[in-house]
Amino acid sequence: AQSVTQPDIHITVSEGASLELRCNYSYGATPYLFWYVQSPGQGLQLLLKYFSGDTLVQGIKGFEAEFKRSQSSFNLRKPSVHWSDAAEYFCAVTSYDKVIFGPGTSLSVIP
Amino acid sequence: GAVVSQHPSRVICKSGTSVKIECRSLDFQATTMFWYRQFPKQSLMLMATSNEGSKATYEQGVEKDKFLINHASLTLSTLTVTSAHPEDSSFYICSARDRGRTDTQYFGPGTRLTVL
Repeated sequence: AQSVTQPDIHITVSEGASLELRCNYSYGATPYLFWYVQSPGQGLQLLLKYFSGDTLVQGIKGFEAEFKRSQSSFNLRKPSVHWSDAAEYFCAVTSYDKVIFGPGTSLSVIP
Repeated sequence: GAVVSQHPSRVICKSGTSVKIECRSLDFQATTMFWYRQFPKQSLMLMATSNEGSKATYEQGVEKDKFLINHASLTLSTLTVTSAHPEDSSFYICSARDRGRTDTQYFGPGTRLTVL
């Protein structure tokens, strides 16, 4: 069965520091992969997506993610975190038209 | 970009009443919409897939008679929580798949339901 794992439940980083959020997936075919961000009490905003082609994907707000088939990973990165990046981050994979979400990683940013 | 709206954004109701939540795709046509439920500090759980003009497909464990879904047009799907109880209190989020770009779902801002 298709699944998504995010090993880190909560991460705290200092403002200006680099960030990497981990995501691993289990999927039989070539996956469609997504990263979404959710601020408290809000809906989800799409940060970036990977369907095919270049394995390094650029997204909004300075985020990027790299698809590594050999590791079944799709980690999200940002070189310099801003206080406004504090939120919940969800990795997701599309499976037979359904979006399967990971459990999420909560990001806190220290001033 | 594609925009999905939900109405209301927040609703409080008494136990035993029914609540309707609307999900609209504002600038694109959506043959398929999805309804999710999210408990505090948890991930999104898919409840059902709503296809325009046909019956919704419910995920295992979701009561179709309790969560009525209607997808009457290419831009509107509704979720009705019937005879709501406090355990139905949750954050409900819809998403819509752009018929012209079937690979991406766009999410609404969510509806916070509180049942007293």
